Amino acid sequence: DSGVTQTPKHLITATGQRVTLRCSPRSGDLSVYWYQQSLDQGLQFLIQYYNGEERAKGNILERFSAQQFPDLHSELNLSSLELGDSALYFCASSVAGQSYNEQFFGPGTRLTVL
Amino acid sequence: ILNVEQSPQSLHVQEGDSTNFTCSFPSSNFYALHWYRWETAKSPEALFVMTLNGDEKKKGRISATLNTKEGYSYLYIKGSQPEDSATYLCALPFFGNEKLTFGTGTRLTIIP
Repeated sequence: DSGVTQTPKHLITATGQRVTLRCSPRSGDLSVYWYQQSLDQGLQFLIQYYNGEERAKGNILERFSAQQFPDLHSELNLSSLELGDSALYFCASSVAGQSYNEQFFGPGTRLTVL
Repeated sequence: ILNVEQSPQSLHVQEGDSTNFTCSFPSSNFYALHWYRWETAKSPEALFVMTLNGDEKKKGRISATLNTKEGYSYLYIKGSQPEDSATYLCALPFFGNEKLTFGTGTRLTIIP
């Protein structure tokens, strides 16, 4: 158990809908990262937050947005969902968000868009 | 775009044998290299973070070396056990920021 929690574990929804994925980092970690893993691709970095502020952005679609709250938990919002958004979404956290800090991954949320 | 390559793509190893695989990366602008183990139906688990040329890290039967001048890292597993079956990923930060670019991984299967 990494200490990172994600909810829900599974999510099934329809195209066009909007969902929110939630992540709580390890106690003491200030940085949160979101990754997407699709069937035919490896882990793709989406976005990173550090202490409430956006720190780095990857290939995140405009339909997706995220935020980190004062209690350091983070939410990833996915809207106007398409079939291709079906994937495993991981959240990870690290103590300070530096390139040499270990990232600890949560169990993931499996999103299925029908 | 940071090109992180791992080889081989997959590997079958007899239980008790030792094995190793490679992560290759551009040697310029190196900041750090992460190794993760990812078991099926679980989430990636951090193994090592390596930052210095010549670094060697060890955790039980697993060890890793780093050569930043030639742009590669080796992961070694000594005396493979069934529980070592997993995909091993390496990842590097993109231009020193925290955004990790992952390789496609080496899928290791230990044959009992």
